[in-house]
Amino acid sequence: KAGVTQTPRYLIKTRGQQVTLSCSPISGHRSVSWYQQTPGQGLQFLFEYFSETQRNKGNFPGRFSGRQFSNSRSEMNVSTLELGDSALYLCASSLGVNYAGELFFGEGSRLTVL
Amino acid sequence: QKEVEQNSGPLSVPEGAIASLNCTYSDRGSQSFFWYRQYSGKSPELIMFIYSNGDKEDGRFTAQLNKASQYVSLLIRDSQPSDSATYLCAVNMVSGTYKYIFGTGTRLKVLA
Repeated sequence: KAGVTQTPRYLIKTRGQQVTLSCSPISGHRSVSWYQQTPGQGLQFLFEYFSETQRNKGNFPGRFSGRQFSNSRSEMNVSTLELGDSALYLCASSLGVNYAGELFFGEGSRLTVL
Repeated sequence: QKEVEQNSGPLSVPEGAIASLNCTYSDRGSQSFFWYRQYSGKSPELIMFIYSNGDKEDGRFTAQLNKASQYVSLLIRDSQPSDSATYLCAVNMVSGTYKYIFGTGTRLKVLA
């Protein structure tokens, strides 16, 4: 069974640009969550999608957005990149039916903003 | 006060010893508690979850939950150098939502 796949794995952007990250969940999983991980702040919750609907959102500015497609694949977008957006972006999938279910993480997309 | 707090460490223990990792959380309504392990450069992987007060054992790992004290811990018995990693505590803060809050993690070093 394939795991959670995130693309691209590494990317470098400059301030002001925008970036789109992709996440393909485990087959059968309908929930996709996104997290930002930085050395100082740890894992910060961005948002969670279930069946194409955003169920929860963290405390990030509107520059961070996401969506989920009918096949459960998800994308997140960051516009007008800032230096502080440099981080590891992790996607996690889950069955999503049980709120207490396990999260399965992808390997992450490491974004560097210059 | 942070929603989920962990001591950042590093926590150093000799091989074969018991490692004790602790986590406190702020929301009394929290329902589900998870421990993830994250090796350097890798993504987090689930070790254990616990929902009810008391202890839950799985091999060398024991999770302990005390909802009255808003405290959850992870014990690793017979620690091995391969256990050296960062351990993340995650809490589902409010029943009925799908928002896991993670602590910043405790870095564990098991010394051979």
